Amino acid sequence: RKEVEQDPGPFNVPEGATVAFNCTYSNSASQSFFWYRQDCRKEPKLLMSVYSSGNEDGRFTAQLNRASQYISLLIRDSKLSDSATYLCVVAPSSGNTPLVFGKGTRLSVIA
Amino acid sequence: GVTQSPTHLIKTRGQQVTLRCSSQSGHNTVSWYQQALGQGPQFIFQYYEKEERGRGNFPDRFSARQFPNYSSELNVNALLLGDSALYLCASSFGEVGDTEAFFGQGTRLTVV
Repeated sequence: RKEVEQDPGPFNVPEGATVAFNCTYSNSASQSFFWYRQDCRKEPKLLMSVYSSGNEDGRFTAQLNRASQYISLLIRDSKLSDSATYLCVVAPSSGNTPLVFGKGTRLSVIA
Repeated sequence: GVTQSPTHLIKTRGQQVTLRCSSQSGHNTVSWYQQALGQGPQFIFQYYEKEERGRGNFPDRFSARQFPNYSSELNVNALLLGDSALYLCASSFGEVGDTEAFFGQGTRLTVV
């Protein structure tokens, strides 16, 4: 089983749609969770951290379920500029092993 | 920010390559990742305060170091076609997972 698994995608949605991405992780000791965004042929950039209490940043909402080892990202009112690959990222409790990335889910928002 | 050089590189099988990374000012941790086409980044090395703190599942052909100014180099010997990928450097303060990691734009290596 891969350490971080994501929906395979791609997701093709119309502008204004709501889209949800799911991610599961295998290391139950993991402590930090993130969603990164990566545009085509660019570097990954932090979109948001994910907390057990859930967190929201504008149109983006992230949720963490530790019991199920499950992370989600919800994007409301999709914009054309949201088109990118979304990477689910996990960091274990130990500082010696860095970020573990999922394969990524590609989102295309179409007019 | 984090800068990497060169941005693009074409090498022949069997050659050696050195990739460079200048970390963000104030950052003392550098990590290297390899991202093959259609895949997520895979961890190669992490250096914290100039000491190796982690190594991913990569052969000994891959080596790295961090300099006193916290910049870093990644070396790959005896290049294989399968080494073709985007190589990403990320810097942060403290140990990754505690603070945000900032990525450089990457070096796209093509081995022919």
